[in-house]
Amino acid sequence: EPEVTQTPSHQVTQMGQEVILRCVPISNHLYFYWYRQILGQKVEFLVSFYNNEISEKSEIFDDQFSVERPDGSNFTLKIRSTKLEDSAMYFCASSVQLSNQPQHFGDGTRLSIL
Amino acid sequence: RKEVEQDPGPFNVPEGATVAFNCTYSNSASQSFFWYRQDCRKEPKLLMSVYSSGNEDGRFTAQLNRASQYISLLIRDSKLSDSATYLCVVTHNTDKLIFGTGTRLQVFP
Repeated sequence: EPEVTQTPSHQVTQMGQEVILRCVPISNHLYFYWYRQILGQKVEFLVSFYNNEISEKSEIFDDQFSVERPDGSNFTLKIRSTKLEDSAMYFCASSVQLSNQPQHFGDGTRLSIL
Repeated sequence: RKEVEQDPGPFNVPEGATVAFNCTYSNSASQSFFWYRQDCRKEPKLLMSVYSSGNEDGRFTAQLNRASQYISLLIRDSKLSDSATYLCVVTHNTDKLIFGTGTRLQVFP
């Protein structure tokens, strides 16, 4: 069964450094998402992306965050200057279309900011 | 008021038991409804979509009550492998998934 893959599985970074999280969505999917989950808390939406542009973003997704689809397969989340509170599990998801279609999640990148 | 509310549990049940989880959502314009399952420190995995008429998938039955803004999940004949956190998820007028905090289920032998 095709799956969403994310790298790295764990990233440890010093506060203030830039970090790039990578995702390869399922190949025929057109809609891409990033979510995060702080330890012990609920999963929160960050951003959705379609047709090479952001469709929607949450309040969490401030100017420190950006997303990109640099080629036909990768979808990246960049955090420019990391803060301690950015420590979380970051999940990439993709879906084939809108209209009640389920989103399929990658197994996540654990980001630890020191 | 939280957008999606769930009893955090834990629900501790013996193998073979039937267990039910409930979820309420605050936005009456919510359009799509799902149950996801999350194992400890793993990604959410879709368990089932929830339809207005209710739907069943093997041992799992989901119900939606739009008037009461209430979703339920029933698990029959619980297995040890059902131990996980069950996430109630809704969407409004976009494809953004809005998650509840989850209900933890522990099935014991």
